[in-house]
Amino acid sequence: GAVVSQHPSRVICKSGTSVKIECRSLDFQATTMFWYRQFPKKSLMLMATSNEGSKATYEQGVEKDKFLINHASLTLSTLTVTSAHPEDSSFYICSARGIQLGSPLHFGNGTRLTVT
Amino acid sequence: ILNVEQSPQSLHVQEGDSTNFTCSFPSSNFYALHWYRWETAKSPEALFVMTLNGDEKKKGRISATLNTKEGYSYLYIKGSQPEDSATYLCAFTPSGGGADGLTFGKGTHLIIQP
Repeated sequence: GAVVSQHPSRVICKSGTSVKIECRSLDFQATTMFWYRQFPKKSLMLMATSNEGSKATYEQGVEKDKFLINHASLTLSTLTVTSAHPEDSSFYICSARGIQLGSPLHFGNGTRLTVT
Repeated sequence: ILNVEQSPQSLHVQEGDSTNFTCSFPSSNFYALHWYRWETAKSPEALFVMTLNGDEKKKGRISATLNTKEGYSYLYIKGSQPEDSATYLCAFTPSGGGADGLTFGKGTHLIIQP
């Protein structure tokens, strides 16, 4: 089946540093990738939609300058949390989808970010 | 804001028993309803993608039904096994283009007790 690799799975960083998370579709081309954040005891919240070769579309309330998304190729999207603060500590997960609208998403394993 | 509700939030079921839980979603502008199974420390796994009213899909002991007119879907598990313990997420895709990300419910956390 389709595989999405997300790296790193866990990262601890100091406040003020930036952290990059990678999401790769290993055996299919993903023109669209999605980035989600999960708050404790809440559902996955869509942060942004990442389209290959163009700017990401951010959901309301998500700071573009804080969460930089780059989708430079059909198999790679990156999320950079810039100048991280403790409130950015969360579980971030990416997903990728094939071309057809309505086709299932394939998820990465997620990244647990802890900012100290 | 799209509202996708799942109930119950958590569920304890004895091994061997059958169980079901619900996902409710907006009945207007429907395109697809997805069910995912998410085990701890693993990626969510797609179970079903449902698009037609009255659809019923089955995968082993797990099945799902869809009612787009009233905006709900049921997920059934027959003869629960310990390996069925997971969080089951549903997600809604609206029609009409625009944002094509999914809106997720909060999930039903299922625990199968031996």
